[in-house]
Parts: sequence; C-alpha cells; structure tokens
Amino acid sequence: GDSVTQMEGPVTLSEEAFLTINCTYTATGYPSLFWYVQYPGEGLQLLLKATKADDKGSNKGFEATYRKETTSFHLEKGSVQVSDSAVYFCAANRLTGGGNKLTFGTGTQLKVEL
Amino acid sequence: GAVVSQHPSWVICKSGTSVKIECRSLDFQATTMFWYRQFPKQSLMLMATSNEGSKATYEQGVEKDKFLINHASLTLSTLTVTSAHPEDSSFYICSAPPGGTDTQYFGPGTRLTVL
Repeated sequence: GDSVTQMEGPVTLSEEAFLTINCTYTATGYPSLFWYVQYPGEGLQLLLKATKADDKGSNKGFEATYRKETTSFHLEKGSVQVSDSAVYFCAANRLTGGGNKLTFGTGTQLKVEL
Repeated sequence: GAVVSQHPSWVICKSGTSVKIECRSLDFQATTMFWYRQFPKQSLMLMATSNEGSKATYEQGVEKDKFLINHASLTLSTLTVTSAHPEDSSFYICSAPPGGTDTQYFGPGTRLTVL
C-alpha cells in the first residue's frame, strides 16, 4: 500500500540555520504531495504542495520539489526562525473510489532556539 | 479562503456519555469530509470518510457504532462519540477538500477528555 516516510525528530536548530526534513513516498501512480505544519494545540495548516514531477511548492520561505526519480519531497528552508518551531507532516494523496485520502508521515518535530 | 472550523475546541465528559463534534466548511462546499484521530506526539490516523447524503465509510478497525458520523449538508459533518470511555480521550481533527480539488484543509481540532 501507499506509505510516506519522514526523518525522525526531534530536530533542534539554531535560529538562521538551514533546515532540511526528508520525506519519501511509495505510491501507485503519481500522487499529489503536501507538507502540513502543526503548531502546539492546533490543527494542521497547509504549508505547500506539488501536484506533478519537478513541481516546486513554496510558502513562507519553505520549499519542496517533487522528485519522481527519487520519490522524494524534502522540505527546506534557508534560515529558520524561532516561530518555525512546530511539527511538520509530509503527506501524499491516494485516489480512492469517490475521493482522495491522505497518507501521512509520522511527523517531524522542529525546535528552533535563539 | 478554504477555512474549516470545529466545535467545540475542547470538551470534558463523564464516562458513558455521548459527545458530538461539529466540523464546518465556512467558505466552500464539501461533499466529502474526513475525520482523524491524533494521539500525543503521533501522526494522524484516518477514522472515516464522511459523505454528504450517504453513509460514511470507516477505516478498518474503527467501530462505526461507536463513532457515528452524519454529513447533513454540504458544509457540515458531525462526529458523535457514543458511550465514551477514557480510552476515547484524544485529539479529533476533521478536514475537507473544496470541490474538485485534492487539497484538504483542516479544522483546528477538538480535544476530548473522558473522565
């Protein structure tokens, strides 16, 4: 079946450091890929998405490129801030009869310190 | 745009009682909504797919008689936890994709504590 694998956390970085959170997927066909962010006590917020190979999603300084050849969708940010501290989830949609379902990775907790 | 709300944001109830959680799409219509459960420091587990005008479809291992889902309109789905027990305590989150898209927007979640 479909699956999404993320690097395990927690990840602790200093402010202004470079961030990479790895994500790989296995799926039938070519799913759309997503990164969601969850702040403490809140639901998930869509951070960025990509729908086909070589697409780059970007938002708030974060980027991720849909790599079909490596089945990856790694999240990157050039300079993190304390306010980026949250849990990040990689997800892939999987087509089912009548709609889409998301398959989530386990989440990666990011902590950014001054 | 694409805002999903949930109510209540948190609820505490006694064991054996039932609790209803609402999920609303505020600025779009959704024929399908999804209900998830999240345990502390874990990922989201899909419980069921709510379908407007028809029965919900449940994931394997989820008791449909315990977690009743009603999708009464194109903007509202409800999850009722019946005869709640302490092991049902969790963070429940709903999501909905605007029609014709594959992007799900999530509600802020409902924290359920069963005493």
